[in-house]
Amino acid sequence: DAGVTQSPTHLIKTRGQHVTLRCSPISGHKSVSWYQQVLGQGPQFIFQYYEKEERGRGNFPDRFSARQFPNYSSELNVNALLLGDSALYLCASSLSWGPQETQYFGPGTRLLVL
Amino acid sequence: AQKITQTQPGMFVQEKEAVTLDCTYDTSDPSYGLFWYKQPSSGEMIFLIYQGSYDQQNATEGRYSLNFQKARKSANLVISASQLGDSAMYFCAMREAKTTDSWGKLQFGAGTQVVVTP
Repeated sequence: DAGVTQSPTHLIKTRGQHVTLRCSPISGHKSVSWYQQVLGQGPQFIFQYYEKEERGRGNFPDRFSARQFPNYSSELNVNALLLGDSALYLCASSLSWGPQETQYFGPGTRLLVL
Repeated sequence: AQKITQTQPGMFVQEKEAVTLDCTYDTSDPSYGLFWYKQPSSGEMIFLIYQGSYDQQNATEGRYSLNFQKARKSANLVISASQLGDSAMYFCAMREAKTTDSWGKLQFGAGTQVVVTP
C-alpha cells in the first residue's frame, strides 16, 4: 500500500509569493496533520484536520491556512512568503482523531524562499 | 518551555553494538503518549515505537525498545545490534491528551544524529 504522498518534492519561491503544498494520506486514513521543520530543528505542528474540519492549530501566523477535501487529501497554503518560511513541510496521516493515534509521515516538501 | 529534551546532539556507534538515545519530557497531563521517529537524510519521518503513559510494560518493536521511567519523566530509546542503515536523525516526541485540540499535536525534541560505523 502507498504511504503518505506529498507534492511537489521541492519548490523555490520568492518573498511575497504564495505557495500551495499538497498531501494525500494513507488509504483509509481520515486525519491529516501538517508540520514545519526548519533546518537543524525538530518539526513544529501547524494544523490537524479530521473529517474536513480543523481540529488543532499550532502557533503560526494567519498567513498559514489549510483545508481537507472529501477524499481526505489536504492542502497547506502559505501567503506572503518570508525568508523564514524556508523549511521542510511534512504531512502526516492517521486513521482517526484521538489521543492514541499514531501519525505516519510523508517524504515532505522542501520549500526555499529567496 | 521546552517540552521534550534530547541532550545528545550526535553519537557514533559501532555496527552490532547497542545504543541508547536519551529523552526527557515535561508535562502535567496524566495522559500522554511518547513516540520515537527516525529521519534519514531523505527527510521522511519513520515511526519506530510508541509508549502510552498508562502502559505498564516498556514498549518493544523488533530491535527497538523504549525504557520508560515515568517518575523520572524519561523515555529512552534503545537500539540493539545497530546496523549501517540505522544511521539517521532520531526524534523523541510527545502528545498530550488534556484537550482535544492537542490530540493531533506531536511536540518534538531537537533530535540526536546517530552514525553507525563498520
